[in-house]
Amino acid sequence: EPEVTQTPSHQVTQMGQEVILRCVPISNHLYFYWYRQILGQKVEFLVSFYNNEISEKSEIFDDQFSVERPDGSNFTLKIRSTKLEDSAMYFCAITDRADPYEQYFGPGTRLTVT
Amino acid sequence: QKEVEQNSGPLSVPEGAIASLNCTYSDRVSQSFFWYRQYSGKSPELIMSIYSNGDKEDGRFTAQLNKASQYVSLLIRDSQPSDSATYLCAAPQAHSSASKIIFGSGTRLSIRP
Repeated sequence: EPEVTQTPSHQVTQMGQEVILRCVPISNHLYFYWYRQILGQKVEFLVSFYNNEISEKSEIFDDQFSVERPDGSNFTLKIRSTKLEDSAMYFCAITDRADPYEQYFGPGTRLTVT
Repeated sequence: QKEVEQNSGPLSVPEGAIASLNCTYSDRVSQSFFWYRQYSGKSPELIMSIYSNGDKEDGRFTAQLNKASQYVSLLIRDSQPSDSATYLCAAPQAHSSASKIIFGSGTRLSIRP
């Protein structure tokens, strides 16, 4: 089972500030994903990433969001100008080569925008 | 647009009994399914995947898929207090690598001692 860590575990930021959430896969990986979960709501897809480019993105993933792999290992999600409604748990997920359909989630980053 | 539907619960089951969790889906999702367990404040943890019609057993867990009825279920035998969590039914949008997963709203399960 592939493993992934995320940093920070909790981020508090003021509205309008930029935040960068990081995902570090520990084991063999194929695809990367970002999901978010607003408190009490469903887990929602944001974006998928393969071979250094975006495969798919949702309508949530607007121009305020971006993803990249700055050093070939970390996978980051940047929110350029945070809004109150961006407050949520953000999960990175990965698949591995053994089963490209199963997605394994990292522990998440709780983002609080004040 | 509704794609993966679950009863939100809570479902209360006595310790040692069988817990039965259900999920229905529209034909807009792939006919492969995943069950995730999510403890409060934690991330979803994959516990079962099922790709074909019928039953799939893994320890105390059995997933059942009925494609004709567009119905998938998860049975937990010999329920333990540690099984108390929210169970998320999920399906990829398409049966292809890197497809996004569509999640249901989850069923909250409570195992009473």
